[in-house]
Amino acid sequence: QVQLVQSGAEVKKPGASVKVSCKTSGYSFTGYYMHWVRQAPGQGLEWMGWINSNSGDTNYAQNFQGRVTLTRDTSISTAYMEVTRLRHDDTAVYYCARECGGICYALDIWGQGTLVTVSS
Amino acid sequence: EIVLTQSPGTLSLSPGERATLSCRASQSVTSTYLAWYQQKPGQAPRLLIYGASSRATGIPDRFSGSASGTDFTLTISRLEPEDFAVYYCHRYGSSFTFGGGTKVEI
Repeated sequence: QVQLVQSGAEVKKPGASVKVSCKTSGYSFTGYYMHWVRQAPGQGLEWMGWINSNSGDTNYAQNFQGRVTLTRDTSISTAYMEVTRLRHDDTAVYYCARECGGICYALDIWGQGTLVTVSS
Repeated sequence: EIVLTQSPGTLSLSPGERATLSCRASQSVTSTYLAWYQQKPGQAPRLLIYGASSRATGIPDRFSGSASGTDFTLTISRLEPEDFAVYYCHRYGSSFTFGGGTKVEI
């Protein structure tokens, strides 16, 4: 079945970087866009950006431009999200989510989430 | 930037009751681009509705969505115990946007 499996929890110091992976299976990786969404503790969902898994083209939310980089490795059907210059308020669960494509303009499959804790 | 405002913030209901959740857009939003998600504690969101009114795969028919201008509604016809969760609306576009969420509690 279609699955997105994310890497494990991370604890980082302010100013450091973190890279989260999202390994996919059960579908043609290059046929779908991958989005990243984060959720701070007790808060709502915040869209970060997407990557075209085929071309590698990216689009970032304004809040994250310059600090977030989305990449992918098509040989292993895996997407990555890197955040640099981490701040305390980057503490959140980070999700990858597949855009369903076709006439379904939504995110139909989600990873289990990766908790990133930024603490000095 | 389009803002999605969900109301109420919290909806207190009992199993078997009907739930009506609202999502209002600050500007015109094409219905095609409006989706609803359910999120339970400790879990990832789950897609319920896309295109404002189309149920995602495996979603029970007690969930329905509708649109009227800039107002979008998610209705749960008869609440089941597993439906108590937080619900988010979401706009697909050049800059994706989520509403603030509505918590449906017992």
